[in-house]
Amino acid sequence: EPEVTQTPSHQVTQMGQEVILRCVPISNHLYFYWYRQILGQKVEFLVSFYNNEISEKSEIFDDQFSVERPDGSNFTLKIRSTKLEDSAMYFCASSPGPLSNQPQHFGDGTRLSIL
Amino acid sequence: DQQVKQNSPSLSVQEGRISILNCDYTNSMFDYFLWYKKYPAEGPTFLISISSIKDKNEDGRFTVFLNKSAKHLSLHIVPSQPGDSAVYFCAAPRTETSGSRLTFGEGTQLTVNP
Repeated sequence: EPEVTQTPSHQVTQMGQEVILRCVPISNHLYFYWYRQILGQKVEFLVSFYNNEISEKSEIFDDQFSVERPDGSNFTLKIRSTKLEDSAMYFCASSPGPLSNQPQHFGDGTRLSIL
Repeated sequence: DQQVKQNSPSLSVQEGRISILNCDYTNSMFDYFLWYKKYPAEGPTFLISISSIKDKNEDGRFTVFLNKSAKHLSLHIVPSQPGDSAVYFCAAPRTETSGSRLTFGEGTQLTVNP
């Protein structure tokens, strides 16, 4: 069964450094998402992406964050200057369409640790 | 964001018995609900969903019930198996033409004891 893959599985970064989290969505999916889960908290929506542009972003997704689809397969999340509070599990997801009945499929996540 | 709430952080049941996981929501605009299962070190895996035009959806051992008037849904697993031990999230999409952001509950850790 096709799956969403994320790399790396664990990223340790010094505060203030830039980090790029990578995702390969399912190949025939058109909608891409990033979520994060801070330890002990809910899974939170960050951003959705369609047709090479951001379609929606949450209040968490400020100017420090950016997303890109640099080629036909990868989808990346960049955090420009990391803060301690960016430490979390970051999940990438994709879906074939935008509708509620087209469930999002998640990758196994990248654990981001900011020191 | 309290729009989707799972009030039970954990549930423990015996193998073979029924597991009932509950979820409440406040946003009456939600018209679709999903349940995801999550094992440690893995991402959420889609399990089952229900549209608001239905009150029940069944898939094998898994059944989701929706009570719109109470803004409540539940996931029934019967019979429960040790491999069902995981965190279960309910989620609701807010559908836009350009994607559906999911709002998640807190999750319930289900432990099925052999």
